[in-house]
Amino acid sequence: DSGVTQTPKHLITATGQRVTLRCSPRSGDLSVYWYQQSLDQGLQFLIQYYNGEERAKGNILERFSAQQFPDLHSELNLSSLELGDSALYFCASSVVAGAINTQYFGPGTRLTVL
Amino acid sequence: GQQLNQSPQSMFIQEGEDVSMNCTSSSIFNTWLWYKQDPGEGPVLLIALYKAGELTSNGRLTAQFGITRKDSFLNISASIPSDVGIYFCAGQYANNDMRFGAGTRLTVKP
Repeated sequence: DSGVTQTPKHLITATGQRVTLRCSPRSGDLSVYWYQQSLDQGLQFLIQYYNGEERAKGNILERFSAQQFPDLHSELNLSSLELGDSALYFCASSVVAGAINTQYFGPGTRLTVL
Repeated sequence: GQQLNQSPQSMFIQEGEDVSMNCTSSSIFNTWLWYKQDPGEGPVLLIALYKAGELTSNGRLTAQFGITRKDSFLNISASIPSDVGIYFCAGQYANNDMRFGAGTRLTVKP
């Protein structure tokens, strides 16, 4: 158990819908990262937050958005869902904002878009 | 998105053998990272490298940050069955954006 929690574990929805994925970082970690893992695109970094502020942006679509709340949990919002958005979405946390020397991943949320 | 070139794609080795895998890119990175992912689990960060030429070990794992800052390798010595999994490299830019390799799937035969 990494100490990072993600909910829900599984999510099945239809094209065009909107979903919210939730992540709680490890106690004491200020930085949260979101990643997408799919069969055709592999692992992709989406976005990073540090202490409530956006810190880095990767291959995140405009239909996707995220935020980190004052209690440090984070939510990833996916809207106008397409079949290709079906993937595993991982959240990870670390203490620092910059160079990663320790990083802990959650168990992931498996999103299926039908 | 642009991926790193990670090779080999898969490896089948005998327990006790050494393993070597590498990643190359046309981009320069500030940080190289190596992860391992077991089936049904999230990735686990194994080693992080911050300086060109840096050689870092973590138990039986050794990784190096290439001098050109465009490549990195990971070696595993004396492999054991629990080394089975998928190993990913990742390069992190100065702005903290990251790119991942497609992974090396390692199978260790006892």
